[in-house]
Amino acid sequence: DAMVIQNPRYQVTQFGKPVTLSCSQTLNHNVMYWYQQKSSQAPKLLFHYYDKDFNNEADTPDNFQSRRPNTSFCFLDIRSPGLGDAAMYLCATSSIAGEVQYFGPGTRLTVL
Amino acid sequence: SQQGEEDPQALSIQEGENATMNCSYKTSINNLQWYRQNSGRGLVHLILIRSNEREKHSGRLRVTLDTSKKSSSLLITASRAADTASYFCATESNFGNEKLTFGTGTRLTIIP
Repeated sequence: DAMVIQNPRYQVTQFGKPVTLSCSQTLNHNVMYWYQQKSSQAPKLLFHYYDKDFNNEADTPDNFQSRRPNTSFCFLDIRSPGLGDAAMYLCATSSIAGEVQYFGPGTRLTVL
Repeated sequence: SQQGEEDPQALSIQEGENATMNCSYKTSINNLQWYRQNSGRGLVHLILIRSNEREKHSGRLRVTLDTSKKSSSLLITASRAADTASYFCATESNFGNEKLTFGTGTRLTIIP
């Protein structure tokens, strides 16, 4: 089945230790999004790719970086995680920007 | 902030009753979407309504859109225990910026 896959589902890291979260999709969608969601809050868009074009949100900290080496894969790098970065990280794809988004199951990040 | 507001923040009803949740937004939109999120999981798309539509149905779901009031409502009829989840509205502004802005969400609990 076509889907959006996120690995790992749970990630524990130490304060300041870099971490990479991954997302892959079999939907062949042009657009990929990364969201941060804290408990009982709305998903907050960090950045998105339209094909290879990277679009960063104005309020996304420099600590967060992303790579999209090909259509299928997208990575979220957190260079120096702080306690405030503990959250659920959601990846989503869309065939048409602004239309229906298909979400992965998320990666729960814990920072010790 | 362009984030939408949803109300109520939390809703508990008996199984079999209807559930109504509301969404208000701030900017002119191309479309409005509703998503469901089960605890600790990714979001699942439910329904999309375009700015030139006033009402849309999908199974037990009914969505209305009033662009003059910048508001939408989601009605779930004959609720089931499996409907217990958080529900988010999301809007695509007509600025053509390729992204969705999510509302604050309604936590729905269906009591068996």
